[in-house]
Amino acid sequence: RKEVEQDPGPFNVPEGATVAFNCTYSNSASQSFFWYRQDCRKEPKLLMSVYSSGNEDGRFTAQLNRASQYISLLIRDSKLSDSATYLCVVNMENYGQNFVFGPGTRLSVLP
Amino acid sequence: NAGVTQTPKFRVLKTGQSMTLLCAQDMNHEYMYWYRQDPGMGLRLIHYSVGEGTTAKGEVPDGYNVSRLKKQNFLLGLESAAPSQTSVYFCASKPGLSDEQYFGPGTRLTVT
Repeated sequence: RKEVEQDPGPFNVPEGATVAFNCTYSNSASQSFFWYRQDCRKEPKLLMSVYSSGNEDGRFTAQLNRASQYISLLIRDSKLSDSATYLCVVNMENYGQNFVFGPGTRLSVLP
Repeated sequence: NAGVTQTPKFRVLKTGQSMTLLCAQDMNHEYMYWYRQDPGMGLRLIHYSVGEGTTAKGEVPDGYNVSRLKKQNFLLGLESAAPSQTSVYFCASKPGLSDEQYFGPGTRLTVT
């Protein structure tokens, strides 16, 4: 089993749609969780950290379920500019440097 | 503030040749990382450094060496390139008390 797995995608959605991505991780001791965004042929950039209580940043909502070892990202009112690959990232060690990236889920928002 | 820069942006090597990739950051970050990204596999950690003069192995270190002689620079070396090392290489850095990594623009390496 891969350490971090994501919905394979791609997701093709119309503008204004709500879309959700899922991510599962294998190490129950994992301590910190993130969603990064990567545009085509560009470097990854942090979208948001994922906290135990869940967190929201504008149209983006991240949730963490430690019992199920599951992370989600919800995007509401999709924009054309949201088209990108979304990477789930898990730090497998407390205060460590073992950041494991999922393979990513590609989103295309269509006009 | 340039952030994280990588040199070169593109390179084509023949099997057996050597090269060094340079990563530089001007944010005074303690931690630096080298990743490779291959289609469908996500980024995989090659080596990382928690401070000047220290390095450690990541998930896929074989065939690579690194050095961090200065805090702002992290070098990745390929002593004898192989076609399996064809990839996009990303460098990243982060400050000590944050988990947010800042990535460079990447180096596209092809080994023929």
